[in-house]
Amino acid sequence: AQKVTQAQTEISVVEKEDVTLDCVYETRDTTYYLFWYKQPPSGELVFLIRRNSFDEQNEISGRYSWNFQKSTSSFNFTITASQVVDSAVYFCALSPDKLIFGTGTRLQVFP
Amino acid sequence: SQTIHQWPATLVQPVGSPLSLECTVEGTSNPNLYWYRQAAGRGLQLLFYSVGIGQISSEVPQNLSASRPQDRQFILSSKKLLLSDSGFYLCAWSLGSGRIVNGEQYFGPGTRLTVT
Repeated sequence: AQKVTQAQTEISVVEKEDVTLDCVYETRDTTYYLFWYKQPPSGELVFLIRRNSFDEQNEISGRYSWNFQKSTSSFNFTITASQVVDSAVYFCALSPDKLIFGTGTRLQVFP
Repeated sequence: SQTIHQWPATLVQPVGSPLSLECTVEGTSNPNLYWYRQAAGRGLQLLFYSVGIGQISSEVPQNLSASRPQDRQFILSSKKLLLSDSGFYLCAWSLGSGRIVNGEQYFGPGTRLTVT
């Protein structure tokens, strides 16, 4: 079965704190992709990153970083020095072909 | 650059009324198109996808249907809405090749539907 679990329903932090959003996935496929999307209050999903199953290198983009570990089937997302504009719901997704989304983690960053 | 449009942005409809939501994509040809529903406080559920004109695949049995009358137009419809159809409907596109591939999808602004 294909499944994505985001166990953290909601996280609240104060601005400038670092925060990690967890994502655990299940798949029997050997070739697949993992994604993170951001859904701000406006509702539109914004693509953040795609990683393929053969590339376990961590990725950093500004204050965002992603840690992909096949051994634990995890693809965690860290925001460094969080800002109020980071407040959103974040979705992790798995794609052998179609996207399978987790239930999302709502991040609230307070000033 | 590619853009994706959805309308209307919000909709309030009574139970039993028909529904038509439209999605159009600009700046790309032969995209894969998708309809998702997001119930309040929950994740996204794939409803339909299309790899070409007139080609519709349904993921979840329901009283909704989809059509793709033109290459970059995707329509979500219902003949009679149910209360359970309330939610946030998102259209998305991805690069297509006549089949579903695991590329990133780009989402429209969504339609918030309330069935009363």
